Amino acid sequence: AQKVTQAQTEISVVEKEDVTLDCVYETRDTTYYLFWYKQPPSGELVFLIRRNSFDEQNEISGRYSWNFQKSTSSFNFTITASQVVDSAVYFCALSDDTSGTYKYIFGTGTRLKVLA
Amino acid sequence: DTEVTQTPKHLVMGMTNKKSLKCEQHMGHRAMYWYKQKAKKPPELMFVYSYEKLSINESVPSRFSPECPNSSLLNLHLHALQPEDSALYLCASSQEDGYNQPQHFGDGTRLSIL
Repeated sequence: AQKVTQAQTEISVVEKEDVTLDCVYETRDTTYYLFWYKQPPSGELVFLIRRNSFDEQNEISGRYSWNFQKSTSSFNFTITASQVVDSAVYFCALSDDTSGTYKYIFGTGTRLKVLA
Repeated sequence: DTEVTQTPKHLVMGMTNKKSLKCEQHMGHRAMYWYKQKAKKPPELMFVYSYEKLSINESVPSRFSPECPNSSLLNLHLHALQPEDSALYLCASSQEDGYNQPQHFGDGTRLSIL
């Protein structure tokens, strides 16, 4: 069965600290995609990254970096030198062809609070 | 600013009212989605339109009726809603309907049912 686990419900850090958000997934498919989305208080989900199951290279985009490890079924997200504007709920999502419906399986989200 | 525009931003309606939520995108995307999100929960998929045809209905009650008049517009018609339908309703679009597609979301409509 497909599943995404974000065990950290809420994290609080002080500005400029580094923070890692964990995401562990389960799927029987060999071809799948993983996504991270940010949901600020305004409501919209902002697409951050897509990673396919055949590409295990880590990715860096500015202060954001992602570590994809198939061996541990994890796709963790690190924010370096956090800022107050990073405060949001972050969702990890999995999409594969198991059910044929192309549906995202979302984790329960991690609320990040960055304190000034 | 998001590239998916939803109106209205907030809606309060009684259980006997009929209202509609609107969503518009001009990115040339051919798949559009409706999601429902309750507080402190992830979004739940309701409907998917692909090339203006309904391709997925996640067993949504008939008091929610989607419509896709053209490739840029998506409506959600509401009738006889229940208090438990109060939620944030998110529209999203993607280039195609496929499991590798990133979805682009609007700001949502915050719906309250009295």
